[in-house]
Amino acid sequence: DQQVKQNSPSLSVQEGRISILNCDYTNSMFDYFLWYKKYPAEGPTFLISISSIKDKNEDGRFTVFLNKSAKHLSLHIVPSQPGDSAVYFCAASETGNQFYFGTGTSLTVIP
Amino acid sequence: DTGVSQDPRHKITKRGQNVTFRCDPISEHNRLYWYRQTLGQGPEFLTYFQNEAQLEKSRLLSDRFSAERPKGSFSTLEIQRTEQGDSAMYLCASSLDRAGGRFFGPGTRLTVL
Repeated sequence: DQQVKQNSPSLSVQEGRISILNCDYTNSMFDYFLWYKKYPAEGPTFLISISSIKDKNEDGRFTVFLNKSAKHLSLHIVPSQPGDSAVYFCAASETGNQFYFGTGTSLTVIP
Repeated sequence: DTGVSQDPRHKITKRGQNVTFRCDPISEHNRLYWYRQTLGQGPEFLTYFQNEAQLEKSRLLSDRFSAERPKGSFSTLEIQRTEQGDSAMYLCASSLDRAGGRFFGPGTRLTVL
């Protein structure tokens, strides 16, 4: 029973263009969301978060959008850089302690 | 390096043996989390500590798994009578508060033969 879903296992984008990574969730009680980036042989690295009281949060090249009615969030990376190539995970929580992760999207930024 | 550290990085064991992993969180972080990740999946929550108190455990966590954080600093995760299905990457993370991002360690990769 996957409560957080990332339906695109992979995504390829040209350098300089926008990368859009999507995430859907099923539990309407989730109120806190995180995005992580993961390189091989390393633990996930925290990127950006958003709480349900907001619909957008921006940090440099990274922006997360939350659509509560659609139970959907997305991560935008603009402009995309080759160093952004990694696996991206979204995670959601009701309590702020137990987070449910998606299965990840592998992003490749082509120089 | 003041990040989250985990030891060992790799562990190979035979089925039925007990294993113990250690996590040292970022020093000022009072929250510590254990996750498990298998190939092609995202991290799966196992348990959570606030200081030395274990406040949440996944209902999927077998009673062969036990975690401690005796002094509110480092934590250990023990798996008793390991099974081949326990083979996974075990990740530890820490955070300062509920709203903060979790900072993950590099993980311990367990292989049960």
